[in-house]
Amino acid sequence: DVKVTQSSRYLVKRTGEKVFLECVQDMDHENMFWYRQDPGLGLRLIYFSYDVKMKEKGDIPEGYSVSREKKERFSLILESASTNQTSMYLCASSLQGSSYNEQFFGPGTRLTVL
Amino acid sequence: AQSVTQPDIHITVSEGASLELRCNYSYGATPYLFWYVQSPGQGLQLLLKYFSGDTLVQGIKGFEAEFKRSQSSFNLRKPSVHWSDAAEYFCAVGAGYSTLTFGKGTMLLVSP
Repeated sequence: DVKVTQSSRYLVKRTGEKVFLECVQDMDHENMFWYRQDPGLGLRLIYFSYDVKMKEKGDIPEGYSVSREKKERFSLILESASTNQTSMYLCASSLQGSSYNEQFFGPGTRLTVL
Repeated sequence: AQSVTQPDIHITVSEGASLELRCNYSYGATPYLFWYVQSPGQGLQLLLKYFSGDTLVQGIKGFEAEFKRSQSSFNLRKPSVHWSDAAEYFCAVGAGYSTLTFGKGTMLLVSP
């Protein structure tokens, strides 16, 4: 069974902390994505990566960075967490090529910044 | 830029009744269109997708969707709703190389 896993389901951090959210996929997909999900706003793309060490900004990259050192792993980094980054974070992966390729999602990490 | 509108934030349907969730898109070229479902505490799961061909698309769990170019719509339907269908539903349009633009979602509540 194909799978996208995220390192934590729930995370509580303090303002100013550096936060790492990890995502791993076992499908040998080239593309990986980080979304933020907030009530009433749907999913918004933060960053995506189409290859190892490659990244592209999405719609809301401010306050975030990413790292992709290995094909199967895509990390989202909050350099200095703020309360307005309290949200659900979803990782996804897909095959390279057309956006017609299905994106497979992880279960999400609910981050609370106090 | 592409966009997706889901006009209904919440919809309540009685179990056994039919369902239609609305989705309108804005995109300059021929769109790739998707419906995803998110059950409570879960990630998103693909229900169905459309690019070309037959405008009525069949998906998993008994769902179907119809593409209407003239109305820029891709509405999701199910003839008889089950309590397990209670979830949040997202419409999305394929944009560019690999990315999707999602609507804000419609929460489906199923009453007994």
